[in-house]
Amino acid sequence: GAVVSQHPSRVICKSGTSVKIECRSLDFQATTMFWYRQFPKQSLMLMATSNEGSKATYEQGVEKDKFLINHASLTLSTLTVTSAHPEDSSFYICSARGTGPNRGTQYFGPGTRLTVL
Amino acid sequence: ILNVEQSPQSLHVQEGDSTNFTCSFPSSNFYALHWYRWETAKSPEALFVMTLNGDEKKKGRISATLNTKEGYSYLYIKGSQPEDSATYLCAFRYGGSQGNLIFGKGTKLSVKP
Repeated sequence: GAVVSQHPSRVICKSGTSVKIECRSLDFQATTMFWYRQFPKQSLMLMATSNEGSKATYEQGVEKDKFLINHASLTLSTLTVTSAHPEDSSFYICSARGTGPNRGTQYFGPGTRLTVL
Repeated sequence: ILNVEQSPQSLHVQEGDSTNFTCSFPSSNFYALHWYRWETAKSPEALFVMTLNGDEKKKGRISATLNTKEGYSYLYIKGSQPEDSATYLCAFRYGGSQGNLIFGKGTKLSVKP
């Protein structure tokens, strides 16, 4: 099956720093990538959708200037949490949707646990 | 607000037991229902995508049914094994193939040897 990698798997940072998370589709081209966030005991919540080469579409309540998304190629999307604060501590997980046989199916990365001190 | 409910929240069974979970979703504007299996520290793995009312799908000891008119899906595991221990997520896709996925909180299954 299709594989999506995510890096890093875990990051601890000081308040005020920026953190970049990478999401890669390893064996297929992902025209669309999704970024989700999960708080403890809650469901995965969609933050934004990005299409290769265009600006991301953010869900209501998600600050686009704080969560910068770049989808520069068909295999890579990055999420940068700028000036992170303790309330940004969460589990971030990306998902990629492909073309052809992979069209319509979303494949997930393993997620990134962010802890902001 | 679209809401997907899963029950129970967690489940502990003995090896060999059969078990089932429920996913409830809005019955309007339905496009597809997805089931994922999510082991700790791994990526959620797609189990089933179901689109038609009355659909039944099977993968080994795991099967799922779908009722779009009343808005529920059941996931069954026959003869649970310790390796079945995981969180099972369902997600509702609405509005078409490009619609977003709305996730439930998952059912965490623990199978004791």
